[in-house]
Amino acid sequence: NAGVMQNPRHLVRRRGQEARLRCSPMKGHSHVYWYRQLPEEGLKFMVYLQKENIIDESGMPKERFSAEFPKEGPSILRIQQVVRGDSAAYFCASSQGGGYTFGSGTRLTVV
Amino acid sequence: KQEVTQIPAALSVPEGENLVLNCSFTDSAIYNLQWFRQDPGKGLTSLLLIQSSQREQTSGRLNASLDKSSGRSTLYIAASQPGDSATYLCAVRPKAGPTQGGSEKLVFGKGTKLTVNP
Repeated sequence: NAGVMQNPRHLVRRRGQEARLRCSPMKGHSHVYWYRQLPEEGLKFMVYLQKENIIDESGMPKERFSAEFPKEGPSILRIQQVVRGDSAAYFCASSQGGGYTFGSGTRLTVV
Repeated sequence: KQEVTQIPAALSVPEGENLVLNCSFTDSAIYNLQWFRQDPGKGLTSLLLIQSSQREQTSGRLNASLDKSSGRSTLYIAASQPGDSATYLCAVRPKAGPTQGGSEKLVFGKGTKLTVNP
C-alpha cells in the first residue's frame, strides 16, 4: 500500500506560468481533498472531490484555480497564471469515510 | 465558524520530559478530532483519532484526550525523545449537521513546534 502519492515534490514556476499538481489516493479510497499551507499558517481546506465530481470547492480561490478527479488517473490541482502569493505547500488527502491519510505535499515556489 | 487554536506555538524540552500540547476549538459540534505530526518539508502523519463519543485514545507513549463540552483536547507525550521533534497539528472535523455525519473539511490549528533536546 503506497499511501497517498503526490508529485512533483517540488515545483518552481515563473509568474504567469501554469502549475499542475497531481495526487493519487490510497488504494480503495474514492474521496480526495486538497489543502494549502501558506508559510506560518495552518492548513486550509480547498476542495473535496470524488471520482468525476467536485463535491465542495468552497475553499478554492474563485479565479485561476481548478481541480479534477477523472474516472481514470490521479486528481489534478491546476493553477493558471501563478503569482508569488501562490507559493505554498499543497497537500492532498484521501479517505474512505474514516480518518484522513495525507500525502507528502507539493511545494510550489513562484519566482 | 469553527476555529482551532494550539498553544504553545513552540516548545523546547530536554529529553525524557513528559509534556502536554494543547488544542482548543470554538464549536463543540464536532464529529472527531485528529492529531497529526509534520516533519520539516514532509507530509502529515496521523497520530491519533478521537471520535466525538470518546474521551481519549492511546498509542504507545502518546495519549490524546477530548473534552467536547469545553472545546479542548490535549496530546500527552511521555518520556520525550529527540525523534519526537516535529510540528504537531490538531484538526477538528466538524459535524455536517445535527443529524448528519462529519463535514468533509478538516479545520486545522497552526501547530505546536516541538524540539526535544538530547
